[in-house]
Amino acid sequence: DAGVTQSPTHLIKTRGQQVTLRCSPKSGHDTVSWYQQALGQGPQFIFQYYEEEERQRGNFPDRFSGHQFPNYSSELNVNALLLGDSALYLCASSLRGKGSTEAFFGQGTRLTVV
Amino acid sequence: EDQVTQSPEALRLQEGESSSLNCSYTVSGLRGLFWYRQDPGKGPEFLFTLYSAGEEKEKERLKATLTKKESFLHITAPKPEDSATYLCAVQGRLQGQNFVFGPGTRLSVLP
Repeated sequence: DAGVTQSPTHLIKTRGQQVTLRCSPKSGHDTVSWYQQALGQGPQFIFQYYEEEERQRGNFPDRFSGHQFPNYSSELNVNALLLGDSALYLCASSLRGKGSTEAFFGQGTRLTVV
Repeated sequence: EDQVTQSPEALRLQEGESSSLNCSYTVSGLRGLFWYRQDPGKGPEFLFTLYSAGEEKEKERLKATLTKKESFLHITAPKPEDSATYLCAVQGRLQGQNFVFGPGTRLSVLP
């Protein structure tokens, strides 16, 4: 059973450029969340997608946008990159439900903005 | 606003030296408290979910406990392979299924 997969694993971009990160959720999961993790810090919630719609959003600017496809996979787009966007970007998949549920994370995409 | 703090920031133990990591939280209606392990450059790996005060869960050398204000991760007779960052996260009723993470505790177990 494949877990959560993310691509690419590493990426270097220049300030002002745009980037797209991709995520395939764990088999059977229908919800994808994205997190940003700066070095030495805990992950910060960006947004969550379910049924191809953004359901919740954290405190991130509109430069961060996303998409979910019918097969539940997801993309994270970041426009007008800043040096401060350098971080490990994590995708988490879960199964939508009424109660609390654990999420499973991918290995992350390390984004470096120069 | 939901918040999570963890202590200590870093911990060095000798192999076999048991200890505990602390996670303190404030949340509007706790739906669940989660512990994850994270190796350098990797994504977090799920360890435990705790739902209510008094609950305990164990896995190998790890045991997680929960009170109304904090959670402890007890590590018994640790081995070098237990070295990692341990993250605590909460899900509150206002957040849906999203997590608020603490900054983590970096654990180093020396042989």
